[in-house]
Amino acid sequence: EAGVTQFPSHSVIEKGQTVTLRCDPISGHDNLYWYRRVMGKEIKFLLHFVKESKQDESGMPNNRFLAERTGGTYSTLKVQPAELEDSGVYFCASSQVQANSPLHFGNGTRLTVT
Amino acid sequence: SQQGEEDPQALSIQEGENATMNCSYKTSINNLQWYRQNSGRGLVHLILIRSNEREKHSGRLRVTLDTSKKSSSLLITASRAADTASYFCAAITYKYIFGTGTRLKVLA
Repeated sequence: EAGVTQFPSHSVIEKGQTVTLRCDPISGHDNLYWYRRVMGKEIKFLLHFVKESKQDESGMPNNRFLAERTGGTYSTLKVQPAELEDSGVYFCASSQVQANSPLHFGNGTRLTVT
Repeated sequence: SQQGEEDPQALSIQEGENATMNCSYKTSINNLQWYRQNSGRGLVHLILIRSNEREKHSGRLRVTLDTSKKSSSLLITASRAADTASYFCAAITYKYIFGTGTRLKVLA
């Protein structure tokens, strides 16, 4: 089966610009998660979709971040306007509907805001 | 703050030696999972241990869980250069909470 794919793999933008990250989960996985890792720090939870619904968005840092999952398939995470502290690696993961199923991660998008 | 704090932060060993990494968490969990991350790649699930289990094995991996101490350990036996990676525990409640990871380097 195809794994979780993320696009782009790298993005370098200037402060104030907008960036949209995309995640295609494994087909049939209802759960989709976004995480972020700032260099050397923990992998921090951002939000969790179940199909197209936001189950938990408690980790979203502020209203500059907008996540969508229209139709319950792929998801996008938009940062607008980007700030320097938004730099990091953004990971997407998906899992089956069963509780506590292992997460399948994409390779991440490395975002650098200059 | 996040749960699932691993220690040590970094570990360097010779090929063939055993590597032990520890993880602590803060609240009651449903289960705990360990993941590996190779540089530039996503995390890969290694093993799951349920809250009512104390020890679990998978190949060269051995995981223990002590819910009274809210801690877990991951032992990799007979390490290989290919085991070089970062290792994360994830404390599972209604969400998956990861820590900062342990960077393992296995020298050939």
